[in-house]
This record gives sequence, C-alpha cells and structure tokens, in this order.
Amino acid sequence: DAGVTQSPTHLIKTRGQHVTLRCSPISGHKSVSWYQQVLGQGPQFIFQYYEKEERGRGNFPDRFSARQFPNYSSELNVNALLLGDSALYLCASSSGLISSYEQYFGPGTRLTVT
Amino acid sequence: AQTVTQSQPEMSVQEAETVTLSCTYDTSESDYYLFWYKQPPSRQMILVIRQEAYKQQNATENRFSVNFQKAAKSFSLKISDSQLGDAAMYFCAYRSNWETSGSRLTFGEGTQLTVNP
Repeated sequence: DAGVTQSPTHLIKTRGQHVTLRCSPISGHKSVSWYQQVLGQGPQFIFQYYEKEERGRGNFPDRFSARQFPNYSSELNVNALLLGDSALYLCASSSGLISSYEQYFGPGTRLTVT
Repeated sequence: AQTVTQSQPEMSVQEAETVTLSCTYDTSESDYYLFWYKQPPSRQMILVIRQEAYKQQNATENRFSVNFQKAAKSFSLKISDSQLGDAAMYFCAYRSNWETSGSRLTFGEGTQLTVNP
C-alpha cells in the first residue's frame, strides 16, 4: 500500500509569491495534518483537517490556509511568501481524529523562498 | 500550552554500544501520549516508539526502550546495540489525549545521533 505522498518534492519561489503544496493520505485515512519544519528545528503544527473540516490550527498567520477535498487529499496554501517561510513542509495522515490513532508522515516538500 | 525540551543537540555512540537520548516535557494534563520519532537524511519521519501516560510500564520495541518518569516529566530513549542505520535526527513529541486537541503533535528541537563504526 502506498504511504503518504506529497508534491512537489522541492520548490523554489520568490518573496511575495503564492505557493500550493499537496498531500495524499494513506488510503482510508480521513485526517490530514500539516507541519512546518525550519532547518535545525522540530516540526511545528500548522493545521489539522478531518472529514473536510478544520479541526485544529497552530500559531501561524492568516497567510497560511488549507483545505481538504472529498477524497481526503489536502492542499496547503501560503500567500505573500516571506524568506522565513523557507522550510520543509510535512504532511501526516491518520485514520481518525482522536489521539489514539497513529499518524504517518510523508516525505515532505522542501520550499525555498528567495 | 505544552512544551518539549531536548537538551542534547548532538550525541554519538560506537556501533554495538548503548546510547540514551533525553527528553523533558511540561504539561498540566494527566492523559497524553509521548513519542520518539526518527528522521534520517531522507526526511521521512518514522515512529520509533510510543508511550501512553496512563501506562506505568515502559514501552519497548526491539532494541529501543524508554524510561518514562511521569512525575518528573521525563521521557528518555535508550538504543541498545546501536547500528549504523540508527544514525538520524531523533525527535521527542507530545500529544494530548483530549479530543478537542485532535492529534496535533508538539515536537522538541531534536537530537542528532551519530553512530561511529
């Protein structure tokens, strides 16, 4: 079975631009979470979506938004990119919302903002 | 808010030896989960071991075991018979068991483990 997939693998954008990152969860998983991992730091929680509804949001500005589609895949959108948005963006899926369900991570998208 | 602290930015161990990675956390909750994740250069975050706070018995997964001290809010990872493939960044993570918290993870800063042949 395929694991969590993310696209693209790498991305280079210029300050002020917009970016869309994509995530496909493991088949049967209804929850998707997004994390930002700045180089040399631990991942920081951005969003969690479950059954197409936002179920959690971390301490990130409104420039960050996300959505989940009927097939449970998800997009993370970042507007007006800043240099500080350069990071590895990780997606994780789980079969349910509550914390007893295990999360499985994708390989991430490396975003570089110049 | 919960916080997770890993005080060892880097650790090294000889192949076949044992190493212990430290983690402390701060929370006012009594019901939660703790995890150790491994992130090799491939960037894929891999679950190593998990501990449920209500279980007093320390979790064990093959060569990996934890020392969970709930009162001290300490959660260390012991790797026995270290192998070259264990070299990676290791993250300690916390997850609340409150339904309203969903399944968000709070991570520490990580410990880079080097395994010397």
